[in-house]
Amino acid sequence: EIVLTQSPATLSLSPGQRATLSCRASQSVSTYLAWYQQKPGQAPRLLIHDASNRATGIPARFSGSGSGTDFTLTISSLEPEDFAVYYCQQRTIWPPGYSFGQGTKLQIK
Amino acid sequence: QVTLKESGPALVKPTQTLTLTCTFSGFSLTSAGMRVNWIRQPPGKALEWLAHINWNDEKFFSTSLKTRLTISKDTSKNQVVLSMTNMDPVDTATYYCARSYSGSGGWFDSWGQGTLVIVSS
Repeated sequence: EIVLTQSPATLSLSPGQRATLSCRASQSVSTYLAWYQQKPGQAPRLLIHDASNRATGIPARFSGSGSGTDFTLTISSLEPEDFAVYYCQQRTIWPPGYSFGQGTKLQIK
Repeated sequence: QVTLKESGPALVKPTQTLTLTCTFSGFSLTSAGMRVNWIRQPPGKALEWLAHINWNDEKFFSTSLKTRLTISKDTSKNQVVLSMTNMDPVDTATYYCARSYSGSGGWFDSWGQGTLVIVSS
């Protein structure tokens, strides 16, 4: 099973700053990686898929990069509504399966 | 507009079987490439994918839980049902259903609100 490790566990920043979140896979996942945002009491929301493609309706300040085992989610200029927990997810083509990282909590400094 | 909603018991006893229903609208599980997934999240912890069922009735399960899970669909009712046997307090979690579609890369693009299940005697 592929294990995803996210860092840091918690990131404290101020609105307007740039956020950089990392996700490392225990083996190559090519670009089969997504990022989700989850706010308290809500379901996760798909932000980025296939490592670098923004999902429908996601603002341009969110961007993803990476391939193989190392991936990054960047928020170029934090808005107040961006403070949340972020999860990376990988998918296995065959047999089909998925795993998630343990999450990065982005909190207001 | 795609919507999904989970329903089922809020409390189950240890050793009992949990049965959850996902009722959806805005898409059809008869459309090629469509899937419905189940994911859970213990309080304060990370997400864990459990299972999914495809438009063609193929079913896939988490390796660690496959012996305890069954999944089925009723396309006439737009429902997917997940059952988990031998429930334990560590299975206490919010259970979500989510759609994925090969046309969008198989990612979970729409989620239900989740239903909290507590396992306790």
